Amino acid sequence: DTGVSQNPRHKITKRGQNVTFRCDPISEHNRLYWYRQTLGQGPEFLTYFQNEAQLEKSRLLSDRFSAERPKGSFSTLEIQRTEQGDSAMYLCASSQGLAGDYEQYFGPGTRLTVT
Amino acid sequence: AQSVSQHNHHVILSEAASLELGCNYSYGGTVNLFWYVQYPGQHLQLLLKYFSGDPLVKGIKGFEAEFIKSKFSFNLRKPSVQWSDTAEYFCAVNARGGYQKVTFGIGTKLQVIP
Repeated sequence: DTGVSQNPRHKITKRGQNVTFRCDPISEHNRLYWYRQTLGQGPEFLTYFQNEAQLEKSRLLSDRFSAERPKGSFSTLEIQRTEQGDSAMYLCASSQGLAGDYEQYFGPGTRLTVT
Repeated sequence: AQSVSQHNHHVILSEAASLELGCNYSYGGTVNLFWYVQYPGQHLQLLLKYFSGDPLVKGIKGFEAEFIKSKFSFNLRKPSVQWSDTAEYFCAVNARGGYQKVTFGIGTKLQVIP
């Protein structure tokens, strides 16, 4: 399978715990995006990487959230001191190119449940 | 900032009926437009896209959409739906060039009854 992959697919955690999600984009895709989707809503943009550089962060991304893409390949999204409001589907997407207009390919998502 | 409005949140159709899902966007600049589909238990997939050129774009599985710039609209159509079209449909937009972050609508759940 050469699509975007995400791990884990499901994560249940207790409030206050830290969690980390991983995204492996399509090989050689320069651009990587994280989105969050809550029930009954469309995905909302969280952050964007161009290679290893994090170029944009949404106001939705509080100080408890951090994302990295250390070698310009896979990316991780960490949530510290989780809250019940963090329960959502976290989606990763990637697209090719450093300039120009391209479609984004989405992974299956990581569903986070904070109890 | 961009925003997307989808008019219908839940649509129920019988097989062979025609489909039109409304989508309007708000943005002051040039945009790219998308329709994504999420079938039950599957991840988001691109149905069709508009970057430039012919405003009538054709996608997979017989879907098409028309970009009407004057109305800021990008409605999705299919002449005859099938039970397998049951899914959630998201209209989306991003700004031409730049970082390309996508802004999605709230989604429309389509249920096709055999």
